[in-house]
Formats: sequence, structure tokens, C-alpha cells
Amino acid sequence: DGGITQSPKYLFRKEGQNVTLSCEQNLNHDAMYWYRQDPGQGLRLIYYSQIVNDFQKGDIAEGYSVSREKKESFPLTVTSAQKNPTAFYLCASRDGAGANVLTFGAGSRLTVL
Amino acid sequence: KQEVTQIPAALSVPEGENLVLNCSFTDSAIYNLQWFRQDPGKGLTSLLLIQSSQREQTSGRLNASLDKSSGRSTLYIAASQPGDSATYLCAVKLGNAGNMLTFGGGTRLMVKP
Repeated sequence: DGGITQSPKYLFRKEGQNVTLSCEQNLNHDAMYWYRQDPGQGLRLIYYSQIVNDFQKGDIAEGYSVSREKKESFPLTVTSAQKNPTAFYLCASRDGAGANVLTFGAGSRLTVL
Repeated sequence: KQEVTQIPAALSVPEGENLVLNCSFTDSAIYNLQWFRQDPGKGLTSLLLIQSSQREQTSGRLNASLDKSSGRSTLYIAASQPGDSATYLCAVKLGNAGNMLTFGGGTRLMVKP
């Protein structure tokens, strides 16, 4: 079955450490996105990529970094510069043609100790 | 800047009731609007997508309408069931490219047996 796989599902980090969240899709989608969700709030865009080897900052990119070396993969690194990293992180991808529907992974919950 | 608002933030209804969730947006020049369902601690599942040229979309007991001129969309759920309990989010896309997707804060729905 096609879909988006995020790992790990839960991650604990000490302050000052960088962590990388994985996002893999087998939907053959060109565009991929990272969102952050805080309790009771909507999603906020961190980074997005429309094509391999290219990505753009979203609304809250500070303290985060991404890469897009392969079409299937769009990992997100939460760096020590991110002041409040505890949140639920969601990866999504979008088909560029047809229905243009956004498809999400199951999410990764990051907690900073 | 596009702002998306969902009212109410939370809703509790008895099983079997028909209900309406509201989504309003400030910029009427949208490309499409998508309704999602999110179960606790999970990713988002796409329910319905309405293109800017459409007035409504239906899927089973769900019906979503779009009124661009007034900046509103509604999600109608017929004969609600306890399994419908979840958070429902709407997202508005301004253009056909990139990141121009803005999410509302969601409506948390509880359907009591």
C-alpha cells in the first residue's frame, strides 16, 4: 500500500541535542511538507520541497533544517537552536496533478527533557 | 495574510444528531479547501476536497460546502456516530503551487452514545 511513513513515533531529547525525524513516501509525489502542531492549534508549516534538491522555508523555519536528496525522503532535523521544540510533527506529501490532495503521515511526537 | 478560523473549538452531541462544523477564511481568492479528520495522537486523514469552482462535495454521511464570496465552508455530518469523534480541521490553499496552505485550529467533536 502507498503511504507516508514517519519515524520514530515518539522521541525524547535532552536540551542542546539535535534530532532528526524521518519521513519516507512511496506515493511518487513531488512535493513534501513538514508541519508542526501544538496542542489545540492548527498546523504551522516549517519547510516544504517541491522537487528533489530544492526546498523552501515555511512560516516557522528557524531552528530547523531539511534535505531532499531523494524523491522519497524528506528528513527534518530539529537543532539546538529551536527554543521550544516539544511538539507533534507531521510530514505530508501532495500529488502535483489530479486531485491535488495532501496526504499525511502518522506523526512524530518530540519531547525535550 | 490568509487567516482560517473554525468555530466552535469543541462540540459535544448525542449520537444520531446531524451537525455542522464551520470554517471561515479571510481571503476569498482560494484555489481549493480541504477538510481533514485527526484522531488523538495521529496524523490527518483527508475527508473532502472542494475546488474553487465547486460548491460542494459529498462522501457518505459527509457533505462539505463552499461559499467563496462569503469566505465560508461548512462540513455537515449526518446521523452522527461515536466513531465520528475526532478533531476536524479545514485547510485553505491559495495557489496551485508551493506552500500556500493555511490550516484552521480545528473543531474537537465528541459524539456520545
